[in-house]
Amino acid sequence: SQQGEEDPQALSIQEGENATMNCSYKTSINNLQWYRQNSGRGLVHLILIRSNEREKHSGRLRVTLDTSKKSSSLLITASRAADTASYFCATDSIQGAQKLVFGQGTRLTINP
Amino acid sequence: DTAVSQTPKYLVTQMGNDKSIKCEQNLGHDTMYWYKQDSKKFLKIMFSYNNKELIINETVPNRFSPKSPDKAHLNLHINSLELGDSAVYFCASSQAPEQFFGPGTRLTVL
Repeated sequence: SQQGEEDPQALSIQEGENATMNCSYKTSINNLQWYRQNSGRGLVHLILIRSNEREKHSGRLRVTLDTSKKSSSLLITASRAADTASYFCATDSIQGAQKLVFGQGTRLTINP
Repeated sequence: DTAVSQTPKYLVTQMGNDKSIKCEQNLGHDTMYWYKQDSKKFLKIMFSYNNKELIINETVPNRFSPKSPDKAHLNLHINSLELGDSAVYFCASSQAPEQFFGPGTRLTVL
């Protein structure tokens, strides 16, 4: 069964605005990761947040994790045209630490 | 230099044929994976090898057979291709927990 589910499925904003994407999951996890996929390319790791962390920052990225609600959010501040891509959350469960389960992704479009 | 490489990038073939996709990583990682991404962008793990040993084998038809000649290579052989096999196949490697993905192989079965 699908573990992560992203919301919204598609998001279109103006350059300079902030973009927020959400992810929900079903089982207990070790870590939650966010990946970016540019059109026609492989996935690129962005940021990882551990199950005992609540918030993490990396450059213009901010990730939150709420294990009680089994949800995470990815915030991209001051968006740029180059941020246009699909964004996926991925979880690894306590039972299968090396097995990542991906959501269906949020397609983000930044309009210049 | 490319960290995780796959060949070919595109593969167009007829139903019933047998084809292989090759993957190589130069990161020194112990674990490699095959994923399938369907037309709706849903990415699902198929197989995982750790140091040449199969550790994850999801519900994948027997027509799909991975082979790991050494820990830097993980190839995927597909027998008797079907229309539903059309997808993008990604190889990845990991030293856990972060995974590094190859550029993908777009397989089209006609």
